[in-house]
Amino acid sequence: AQRVTQPEKLLSVFKGAPVELKCNYSYSGSPELFWYVQYSRQRLQLLLRHISRESIKGFTADLNKGETSFHLKKPFAQEEDSAMYYCALWGDSNYQLIWGAGTKLIIKP
Amino acid sequence: DTGVSQDPRHKITKRGQNVTFRCDPISEHNRLYWYRQTLGQGPEFLTYFQNEAQLEKSRLLSDRFSAERPKGSFSTLEIQRTEQGDSAMYLCASTGPTSSYNEQFFGPGTRLTVL
Repeated sequence: AQRVTQPEKLLSVFKGAPVELKCNYSYSGSPELFWYVQYSRQRLQLLLRHISRESIKGFTADLNKGETSFHLKKPFAQEEDSAMYYCALWGDSNYQLIWGAGTKLIIKP
Repeated sequence: DTGVSQDPRHKITKRGQNVTFRCDPISEHNRLYWYRQTLGQGPEFLTYFQNEAQLEKSRLLSDRFSAERPKGSFSTLEIQRTEQGDSAMYLCASTGPTSSYNEQFFGPGTRLTVL
């Protein structure tokens, strides 16, 4: 079965501290993985995808097939990073994103 | 075109009533998705259209739910005989063909409350 697990519902860190949002997936093939973000009072939007291997707003995510993980990291958190973060998997169907439950990130001043 | 729009943004209804939501996608996008999101969960796929064709429906979509996308432009999602369990945020997203189908552009959502 294809599944995405985000084990932390809430993560709270101080400004300037490193951030790691965990995402684990279950998928038998070669997955395409994504992080979407929803800032307060804004719509859900794509943050980054593993294929691009890019850094967006200082965030990076590396696909680890051995650990079936796609954790989102940022070395120095900023207050504007506070948001809901969702990990998503594009699976076999070629039409459907499979979503994790999300992690609420709070950056304390 | 300022992005995906949804109407209404909020709907409060009594159990047993019918409700209809509208989604206007980004004009050049040929795929349109409907999701449902409840508190503490990620979006759950309901159905999607490619142009005017409804290609897939989730098992979550009971026979009380129906969606249309006439002419391949806007879409409507109707819920008949609403139940309290239908209370949720209903999200619409559009994508493709010039962007990857997994890069989806979301609307602001319609929050449904069934009393």
